Amino acid sequence: NAGVTQTPKFRVLKTGQSMTLLCAQDMNHEYMYWYRQDPGMGLRLIHYSVGEGTTAKGEVPDGYNVSRLKKQNFLLGLESAAPSQTSVYFCASSYSGSLPGYEQYFGPGTRLTVT
Amino acid sequence: AQSVTQLDSHVSVSEGTPVLLRCNYSSSYSPSLFWYVQHPNKGLQLLLKYTSAATLVKGINGFEAEFKKSETSFHLTKPSAHMSDAAEYFCVVTRDSSGGSYIPTFGRGTSLIVHP
Repeated sequence: NAGVTQTPKFRVLKTGQSMTLLCAQDMNHEYMYWYRQDPGMGLRLIHYSVGEGTTAKGEVPDGYNVSRLKKQNFLLGLESAAPSQTSVYFCASSYSGSLPGYEQYFGPGTRLTVT
Repeated sequence: AQSVTQLDSHVSVSEGTPVLLRCNYSSSYSPSLFWYVQHPNKGLQLLLKYTSAATLVKGINGFEAEFKKSETSFHLTKPSAHMSDAAEYFCVVTRDSSGGSYIPTFGRGTSLIVHP
């Protein structure tokens, strides 16, 4: 099993450009999450999904959109990139979230720089 | 609302000495708590979790944590640090969202530095 994979690993954008980050998991997990990690801030939740076709906002959703058309994939889009979106982005999945005890599995991260 | 506070942003120890990483939480119900580790330029990996069973939880690589409800704490310990333990550690509590899902909330992280 590959677990959770993320594409691409690195990306440099100019202000105003758009891009999509792809997350894929092969564990048949229901829940998927997108986080951003900035120094001293821990991981902050951008959006999450409780199943195919459903998404919800997290702590810092502004400037991002997501889609979950297939259970195994969770896409994060930036429509008009800003320098404040320079960060490391992590995708995670969990078997469920309807009970509190399920751990998350993380991808290796995508380092995004917006100039 | 649920939140988690990691009391130290950096902890520095010598190889072979004990490790203590502190985490306090606030929760309106009996929480599930996790510790994750992140090595440089890597994703996060689960160290251990507490889900209302035994209050002393053993994890991978010799780490353990004790859930203390009276102190609302879930501190991470290891008897003897190795150089390979140098990493960022995150304490996580799950919170009940308005939609009935339990969404993880992360602490800001503690950087463990291990000196030879």
